[in-house]
Amino acid sequence: GAGVSQSPSNKVTEKGKDVELRCDPISGHTALYWYRQSLGQGLEFLIYFQGNSAPDKSGLPSDRFSAERTGGSVSTLTIQRTQQEDSAVYLCASSLVGLAVGTDTQYFGPGTRLTVL
Amino acid sequence: AQKITQTQPGMFVQEKEAVTLDCTYDTSDQSYGLFWYKQPSSGEMIFLIYQGSYDEQNATEGRYSLNFQKARKSANLVISASQLGDSAMYFCAMREPFKAAGNKLTFGGGTRVLVKP
Repeated sequence: GAGVSQSPSNKVTEKGKDVELRCDPISGHTALYWYRQSLGQGLEFLIYFQGNSAPDKSGLPSDRFSAERTGGSVSTLTIQRTQQEDSAVYLCASSLVGLAVGTDTQYFGPGTRLTVL
Repeated sequence: AQKITQTQPGMFVQEKEAVTLDCTYDTSDQSYGLFWYKQPSSGEMIFLIYQGSYDEQNATEGRYSLNFQKARKSANLVISASQLGDSAMYFCAMREPFKAAGNKLTFGGGTRVLVKP
């Protein structure tokens, strides 16, 4: 079946602009996660969705970052007033149940490479 | 707080030989999960293998096996009979124990493996 998809694959924007990154999880997966991968910080957790709710937003670096999920499926990560330090690869993952029990493997999408000029 | 350490930033391995990638972790929790992911140059994160903290046997998946030493808090990945396609970045990750945080992963800094023909 189809894996996790993300769009766009690459995004170049100017400092101060807003950007939206989209994630389509694997069909039937209730849990969805956003991570950020940058040279300086490695792989960092941003936010977790269980259905349409976000029980854990602890990784969002500032209030310029927000995310939503609709219909228990597609999620959008929005970065307002982008800064150069936001440049990174943004990875989305989904898992079947989202509980920390058993394997409940997270499957990742190909990522969106964001470059802020 | 969780912490994952991968002490080998990079390593070379001869094709058809075995290679061991080190991973140590720090947690005070008794229940946790350990994962290894592969990230080729294309960027996608590919799930390789999972080990639960209560699993008595070391996990194996094809050419991948996990050398789990709970008392030493280490979860080393062993790749047998290396292939050229194994050249990639490898990440060790730990899942947070069951909380409202769901299935959030904390990643190590990664080890880059280059397989030589």
